Amino acid sequence: DIQMTQSPSSLSASVGDRVTITCRASQRIGTYLNWYQQKPGKAPNLLVSGASNLQSGVPSRFSGSGSGTDFTLIIGSLQREDFATYYCQQSYSIPNTFGQGTKLGIK
Amino acid sequence: QVQLVESGGGVVQPGRSLRLSCAASGFTFSRRGMHWVRQAPGKGLEWVAVTSHDGDNTGYADSVKGRFTISRDNSKNTVYLQMNSLRAEDTAVYYCAKERDSDYDEGIFDYWGQGTLVTVSS
Repeated sequence: DIQMTQSPSSLSASVGDRVTITCRASQRIGTYLNWYQQKPGKAPNLLVSGASNLQSGVPSRFSGSGSGTDFTLIIGSLQREDFATYYCQQSYSIPNTFGQGTKLGIK
Repeated sequence: QVQLVESGGGVVQPGRSLRLSCAASGFTFSRRGMHWVRQAPGKGLEWVAVTSHDGDNTGYADSVKGRFTISRDNSKNTVYLQMNSLRAEDTAVYYCAKERDSDYDEGIFDYWGQGTLVTVSS
């Protein structure tokens, strides 16, 4: 199985900050990497697919990049509604494993 | 609009069985693969199982293989998760998730249900 490792596990930031979350796969997965946002008590929401393709309706302050084993999600200028937990997920092979999550809190 | 509504969760003793259902609407169900993903209390997301659009192909996480069975009834627009030999570590919110519209199943989940809580406890 492919293991996905996110860093950091948690971070605190302020509105307006630029935030970077990284995800590393245990083997090469091309660009079969997706990012989800989850708010407390809610189901996850797809933000980015194929490493860098922003889903319709997702603000342009979100961006994704990377290929192979190393990937990045950047939030360009944090807004209050962005405080949530973020998960990467590989869709290269079954099982479609998730990273452990990155909890983004308010500083 | 796409809707996924899970049901069937509850409290069950270790070793017993439970069947979850996910009723889908708002899209052509028979053309899309469907997944189950779970989340233990306070923990991260864990992918559980997948069924192809026609039910002919399925896949499971190692943690549930041999105990859980995913199936679907395209005439009822419903996907199921039969869970046998339940353990305390199966306690979680179980979400069903829809494959994004594409020519093939990509493992990308564009819609999720609200989840149903399964608690395994004596």
